[in-house]
Amino acid sequence: DGGITQSPKYLFRKEGQNVTLSCEQNLNHDAMYWYRQDPGQGLRLIYYSQIVNDFQKGDIAEGYSVSREKKESFPLTVTSAQKNPTAFYLCAGSQGVTGNSPLHFGNGTRLTVT
Amino acid sequence: AQSVAQPEDQVNVAEGNPLTVKCTYSVSGNPYLFWYVQYPNRGLQFLLKYITGDNLVKGSYGFEAEFNKSQTSFHLKKPSALVSDSALYFCAVRFFSGGYNKLIFGAGTRLAVHP
Repeated sequence: DGGITQSPKYLFRKEGQNVTLSCEQNLNHDAMYWYRQDPGQGLRLIYYSQIVNDFQKGDIAEGYSVSREKKESFPLTVTSAQKNPTAFYLCAGSQGVTGNSPLHFGNGTRLTVT
Repeated sequence: AQSVAQPEDQVNVAEGNPLTVKCTYSVSGNPYLFWYVQYPNRGLQFLLKYITGDNLVKGSYGFEAEFNKSQTSFHLKKPSALVSDSALYFCAVRFFSGGYNKLIFGAGTRLAVHP
């Protein structure tokens, strides 16, 4: 089945540790995105990438890093510099860069940092 | 500043009644508008979009939305609600800035359909 696959579904880490969230797609999407979802705040954009080896900061990029070495993969690293990392993280992709294609989302990774 | 507003945190409706989930936006230019639905612990699913053309757009699961340019609104509607429609609904607006297209989401509206 085609889609956006995020792993793991649940992730637990101790404060001060970096952690990498996986996002893989087999939809041949050009653009990929990482969002953070907190209750009552909707989705906030962390990073996005429109082509391989290129990515742009979103609204809340501090404390996060990404790479886009392959079209299919867009991993997100939550670093120890992120002040409040506990959240639900969503990866998405879209076809093309013109903006009229909807986003396809993965099922998310719930990160808990204690 | 560019923004999307969903003025209701929660909408309650009885099964079989019509439902409306409201969305207004403040974006320069001609934006693209989207509605998504989210079930618990899942990603968002696309429902429908407005790009251009007819102001009434139809989407998945019997949902439709009406684009009103003068009121800068894009309300989601369904003629007859189902209990299974209970979920979190997000309005999103795409616009162009600095050579990139950007997508911003509203805060979400929780729809509760009661039997």
